[in-house]
Amino acid sequence: DTGVSQNPRHKITKRGQNVTFRCDPISEHNRLYWYRQTLGQGPEFLTYFQNEAQLEKSRLLSDRFSAERPKGSFSTLEIQRTEQGDSAMYLCASSLLPHTEAFFGQGTRLTVV
Amino acid sequence: AQKVTQAQTEISVVEKEDVTLDCVYETRDTTYYLFWYKQPPSGELVFLIRRNSFDEQNEISGRYSWNFQKSTSSFNFTITASQVVDSAVYFCALSSASGGSYIPTFGRGTSLIVHP
Repeated sequence: DTGVSQNPRHKITKRGQNVTFRCDPISEHNRLYWYRQTLGQGPEFLTYFQNEAQLEKSRLLSDRFSAERPKGSFSTLEIQRTEQGDSAMYLCASSLLPHTEAFFGQGTRLTVV
Repeated sequence: AQKVTQAQTEISVVEKEDVTLDCVYETRDTTYYLFWYKQPPSGELVFLIRRNSFDEQNEISGRYSWNFQKSTSSFNFTITASQVVDSAVYFCALSSASGGSYIPTFGRGTSLIVHP
């Protein structure tokens, strides 16, 4: 068990470019979450998967955001046409069951210039 | 809807002092789960404890202890004899069915600074 892994750790991109982040959850975990965290705030929920099914998306997740979890394994989060307001830490977490604790990766820090 | 309030934005103490971090939650559900996480300067959230709504027993783990009181909807976290390594941001979180299929909702966090 190597924990939740996120890549890349840091990403700097120009406004208007597309970016994609990857998350590898703990292998036997069925649930996978994406959160966004900005300075001085707690993690804010974006979306989650139960196995390969994306079951809920936050209103924070605009049409420019899309997430996938093919075959219920790793997940990707893509942001199209990035804006400066997208600059944040993007956190991935996984849990074994809905009510059990979520384990977080180290996050991907996105800076849009 | 569910909500977590951590009213203390920042706490500063000197090493060896005891410190309590407050957490107040709101939920309509009778079944829910409460969590505490630690986020050190490195950035990764580290899970500390999970509590379900039917277990009001306080818990102690080394220098850490948690006080769960349903009557006041609080789940407070105490660090005894604080150390510099305890410096971090601490988050309280809540999950319940009404909050959306047990999706954890986090408070804004309390930044703890322990001075040597």
